[in-house]
Amino acid sequence: DTGVSQDPRHKITKRGQNVTFRCDPISEHNRLYWYRQTLGQGPEFLTYFQNEAQLEKSRLLSDRFSAERPKGSFSTLEIQRTEQGDSAMYLCASSARRLAGAPNEQFFGPGTRLTVL
Amino acid sequence: ELKVEQNPLFLSMQEGKNYTIYCNYSTTSDRLYWYRQDPGKSLESLFVLLSNGAVKQEGRLMASLDTKARLSTLHITAAVHDLSATYFCAVDQETSGSRLTFGEGTQLTVNP
Repeated sequence: DTGVSQDPRHKITKRGQNVTFRCDPISEHNRLYWYRQTLGQGPEFLTYFQNEAQLEKSRLLSDRFSAERPKGSFSTLEIQRTEQGDSAMYLCASSARRLAGAPNEQFFGPGTRLTVL
Repeated sequence: ELKVEQNPLFLSMQEGKNYTIYCNYSTTSDRLYWYRQDPGKSLESLFVLLSNGAVKQEGRLMASLDTKARLSTLHITAAVHDLSATYFCAVDQETSGSRLTFGEGTQLTVNP
């Protein structure tokens, strides 16, 4: 399977615990995005990497959230001291290098559903 | 701040009928995307619309883009049950690493 993969698919944790999610993008894609989706809403942007550089972070990404993309391949998203409001689907997407004016079609992984008790 | 609005948010229709979903956005953009999401699943790319007047069709779905009106439409022709899903439009922000800003989604239910 050459699509975007995410692990784990489901995570249940207690409030206050730390969790880490992993995303493996499509191999030739240099851009990687994290989004969060709550029930009944569209995905909301969290952060974006081009290769290993984190170029943008949403104000939704509080200091309890951190993301990395070492070596420009897979990425991890860590949430420290989880809160019930963190319960959501966390989606990863990747896209290929983009020429000026060309589309930036993003391909999404299956998501990690986080439940904080 | 870019805003993307879809309507209707909920759509229940009978098989065989036609309907249109509307997507309005608040700032200039030449790139609009439509995605489909089944319950509990991720997003599947349907259409990429790149310029004013662009029209794309796939099966019973047809998408169009009017950049002057900042409006995209997703037209459903002769709906079938398999089209039941949530449909999202998203707009590409050129100045922000091309992050996508999504609408709230339109939950479509096609009844026999």
